[in-house]
Amino acid sequence: KAGVTQTPRYLIKTRGQQVTLSCSPISGHRSVSWYQQTPGQGLQFLFEYFSETQRNKGNFPGRFSGRQFSNSRSEMNVSTLELGDSALYLCASRERTSLNPSSYNEQFFGPGTRLTVL
Amino acid sequence: GQQVMQIPQYQHVQEGEDFTTYCNSSTTLSNIQWYKQRPGGHPVFLIQLVKSGEVKKQKRLTFQFGEAKKNSSLHITATQTTDVGTYFCAERDDKIIFGKGTRLHILP
Repeated sequence: KAGVTQTPRYLIKTRGQQVTLSCSPISGHRSVSWYQQTPGQGLQFLFEYFSETQRNKGNFPGRFSGRQFSNSRSEMNVSTLELGDSALYLCASRERTSLNPSSYNEQFFGPGTRLTVL
Repeated sequence: GQQVMQIPQYQHVQEGEDFTTYCNSSTTLSNIQWYKQRPGGHPVFLIQLVKSGEVKKQKRLTFQFGEAKKNSSLHITATQTTDVGTYFCAERDDKIIFGKGTRLHILP
């Protein structure tokens, strides 16, 4: 199976702009989670989508949003970019066989999108 | 808020020496997961521990979950250059909370 793919791999934007990142999960995986990774804050959970619905959300402002399509592909959007949004944005997919959040399947990360905000 | 603390932040070891990273929480953890991220790479899932006192091994890697489910450790025996990277612990409940990671550097 092909792994998780993310596009674009690199992106440079300026403050105030918005950006949309895309994630294609492993075939058959219905859950997609997004993470922000920075040297200072480490890996932080943004949100998780399953069956086109946001199931869990981290502690990020409303400028960070996402969605999931019927084919399980997901996008995340960041509006009104700030310098502090510069980070590696990772998505991860997993099989999720029930709506119970504690039912666990291994998650697989994509290579990430490196966003630089100038 | 919910936190998992990892120590040490950095570790330099001579190739062939052992390495251990620790993950601690002030609250009882429902489970603990371990990931490895190579430099320039993305996190790769290693293992999940769920039971109190659980010990699992993967070749030279030994993972432990404390009896009180408030701490965990990852021990690597006889490190090799391929072990270089950052090791993260994480708790998965309704969200997943990552520790800040331990960066392992191997001296040849």
